[in-house]
Amino acid sequence: EVQLVESGGGLVQPGRSLKLSCAASGFTFSNYYMAWVRQAPKKGLEWVATISTSGSRTYYPDSVKGRFTISRDNAKSSLYLQMNSLKSEDTATYYCARQTGSSFDYWGQGVMVTVSS
Amino acid sequence: DIVMTQGALPNPVPSGESASITCQSSKSLLYSDGKTYLNWYLQRPGQSLQLLIYWMSTRASGVSDRFSGSGSGTDFTLKISRVEAEDVGVYYCQQFLEFPFTFGSGTKLEIK
Repeated sequence: EVQLVESGGGLVQPGRSLKLSCAASGFTFSNYYMAWVRQAPKKGLEWVATISTSGSRTYYPDSVKGRFTISRDNAKSSLYLQMNSLKSEDTATYYCARQTGSSFDYWGQGVMVTVSS
Repeated sequence: DIVMTQGALPNPVPSGESASITCQSSKSLLYSDGKTYLNWYLQRPGQSLQLLIYWMSTRASGVSDRFSGSGSGTDFTLKISRVEAEDVGVYYCQQFLEFPFTFGSGTKLEIK
C-alpha cells in the first residue's frame, strides 16, 4: 500500500525558514517523480514543486522560486521541502504527492504550516 | 499560465441522481501524443486528495465506474452517476500539460 507521511510543519515567523519532510513507503521511491502541493485555508490547490527521480531536475512556480527548494534522499525514501524567507501567504496545508506522467496519483494527509508573528 | 475555470453545482443533488461538473481551460490540453492532460480529483471533508480521472477520461485504479470524464481540448465534464453520500466533497480539475500545473477553484457537491 502506497503511503506518504508528511512532517515538520508548525508555526513560524515571517522571514524565517522551515523544512518539511515526507516519508514514502509501499512503492519504489526512486522510480517516481515527486511533488509538493499546498492548500491555503479554505482555498484551492497550488502546485509548489516537482523533483525528478534522481533529483537532478527541479521545477517551481514563480510564487516560490528562489525561496523554496525541493530535494530527495532515495536511500531513505524521503522527500523534503526547504522553505526560506517565509511569508504570511505561504500559510497552508502542504501535501506530498507521487507524480506520474499523467497525474498526482497518491497524496499524503498533509502538514500545516502557519506563518505569523 | 493555463487558467482552469470550474462551474458550480445546483446543490444539494438528490441521492441517486446524476451530477455533472464542468471545467474549462484557457489553452487546449490535447498533446501531440493524442492524450488530453486533464485530471479530476476529489477532496472529501477533512481528508486529502484522491485521483479520480486522468487523461480526461481514464478512471484511476479502484475508482467506481459511476465516475466518468469526457470533453474536448478545452471543455471538460466529470459526470457522477447515481450520487451517493460518499461522493460528498470538493472536486478539482487540473491541467497536467505543462508547468506550472494549475487547478480549478473546486466544485462542491452536497447530497440531499
